[in-house]
Formats: sequence, C-alpha cells, structure tokens
Amino acid sequence: KAGVTQTPRYLIKTRGQQVTLSCSPISGHRSVSWYQQTPGQGLQFLFEYFSETQRNKGNFPGRFSGRQFSNSRSEMNVSTLELGDSALYLCASSRDRVAYEQYFGPGTRLTVT
Amino acid sequence: LAKTTQPISMDSYEGQEVNITCSHNNIATNDYITWYQQFPSQGPRFIIQGYKTKVTNEVASLFIPADRKSSTLSLPRVSLSDTAVYYCLVGAPEGANNLFFGTGTRLTVIP
Repeated sequence: KAGVTQTPRYLIKTRGQQVTLSCSPISGHRSVSWYQQTPGQGLQFLFEYFSETQRNKGNFPGRFSGRQFSNSRSEMNVSTLELGDSALYLCASSRDRVAYEQYFGPGTRLTVT
Repeated sequence: LAKTTQPISMDSYEGQEVNITCSHNNIATNDYITWYQQFPSQGPRFIIQGYKTKVTNEVASLFIPADRKSSTLSLPRVSLSDTAVYYCLVGAPEGANNLFFGTGTRLTVIP
C-alpha cells in the first residue's frame, strides 16, 4: 500500500507571498493532520481534517488554513509568509479515529527568504 | 493530554540493548502509551503502542508497570541506523487526533 505523499518536497518563497502544500493520505484513511516542525519549537499540531471538515485546530494564526477534498486529499495554505514560517511541514493520516497510530509523509521543506 | 518526561539524549554502542524511559505521572485511565521514531528531515514513524504490562513487535518492546506512571521502550541490539529521535506520547487512542510530541530523546548509536 502506498504511503502518505506530500508535494512539493522543497519550496522557496519570499516574505509576503502565499504557499499551498498538498498531501495525499494512505488509501482508506479519512483523517489528515498537519504539523509544523522547527528546531526551536519542535513538532507542533496545526489542524486535522476528517471527512472534509476541520475537526481540530492548533494554536496558529489565521494565516494558516487548510481543506480536505472528498477523496481525503488535503491542502494547507499559508498566506502572507513570514521568515518564521520556514519549517518542515508534515502531513499524517490515520483510519477513522485511531488518533495515536498515525502515518506521516516525508514532509515539505519550506524556506522563506 | 498527559505530560511526558524523557531524557533529552542517550548514547549507545552498536549491538547493545537500549532502554528509553518515559515518565507520565498524570496518565488517565483510558490513555495509551505510544512511541514514535523520527530520522532527520523525515516524518515520525509509529513504533509501538501499549496500555499495560508488555507489548512486543518486530522492532521493539514496550514495558509498562502496574501503576502506568512510566514506560520503557526497549530496542534490542541497536545498529547505527537506529540513530534517531524517539518520542513518547500519552493519550486516548481515539479522540482529538492532536498529538503532542514534546522534545523526545535523541539516541546516538556509536560504532
């Protein structure tokens, strides 16, 4: 079974721009979560989608948003990029409500200059 | 979400057994204990999950004492490829889908 895929793998953007990252979960998984990982803050939860609805949200500003499509694929968007948004963005999927057994993708490395 | 405490780092020689202990004094009755492994620039990988006593799979064992206030991840005969950060998470297996990873334990395997 194919794993979680994320595109693009690497991205360089300029301050003030916006960016969209994509995640395709494992087939049959309906929950998709997004995380931001930085050296200073570690792994932080952004939000989680289940059946096209945002079910949970972490403590991030409104510039960070996401959505999920009917095929469970998900996108996250960051508007008005700041230097501090440079990070590894990870997507994870899981079956239904098995919260603690999640499968992570390789991540998208975003660099904001 | 129960708070967890792990050592920040550990070193081990190849071929040794490594035990990483996690403290979770305020674990709730319906909480499970889950461990993840993360290599640099990769997403975390689920290793093992347990509720009480001992759980073993093809890569690790998880020991949980009767009071469940701590747990120990045991990696048998580590190799250089086991060098990674190991995270201990505590929470109900169903619920918010909001995982709190903490700082983890950076394991370095030495040749």
